[in-house]
Amino acid sequence: QQQVKQSPQSLIVQKGGISIINCAYENTAFDYFPWYQQFPGKGPALLIAIRPDVSEKKEGRFTISFNKSAKQFSLHIMDSQPGDSATYFCAASMDNYGQNFVFGPGTRLSVLP
Amino acid sequence: DADVTQTPRNRITKTGKRIMLECSQTKGHDRMYWYRQDPGLGLRLIYYSFDVKDINKGEISDGYSVSRQAQAKFSLSLESAIPNQTALYFCATRGGSRGNTEAFFGQGTRLTVV
Repeated sequence: QQQVKQSPQSLIVQKGGISIINCAYENTAFDYFPWYQQFPGKGPALLIAIRPDVSEKKEGRFTISFNKSAKQFSLHIMDSQPGDSATYFCAASMDNYGQNFVFGPGTRLSVLP
Repeated sequence: DADVTQTPRNRITKTGKRIMLECSQTKGHDRMYWYRQDPGLGLRLIYYSFDVKDINKGEISDGYSVSRQAQAKFSLSLESAIPNQTALYFCATRGGSRGNTEAFFGQGTRLTVV
């Protein structure tokens, strides 16, 4: 019940296209859903996060869509650029000091020029 | 300087050797974590600490130990390294008083056990 599933494992998109990565969770107690972006040779860094009281959050070209009833959330990257090529991890947590993130297995995105 | 610094960045060691990975942070955060990253498995939690007197096992703690020497320092030890501990290791910190705060990761240590 603590698991976060993520798909696809890898994704290839042409420059200017839309990249979509999906995640699903089981534990309805989760109430914080961040996405982390990791470039080769670097540690993951927070990209964007959402709470379940909203269905969508947008920051520039990056949008999280959240479907509470389906227990799913997704990351959309509009106008994908080669510089977006990275590994993306979704995660979930409960709003409690002692709770740790549960990370999805990651999606390796390659944006072709 | 990076907020979360890991040393070494790369290490090759032999089976059976003891090795220590070090992490220091300048963010003043109480919560510190050690994760292991393997292809297709994401980030798995090894150990975490909420202060110098608080150490907790994560989901894959077997074969590892940790020490929280100070608020800013959290080290991970492999007592007797084995080849399946070959992986990318990350230290992370979190501040704040709630569960919805950002995690800050170090640049990682690539460990190879031969």
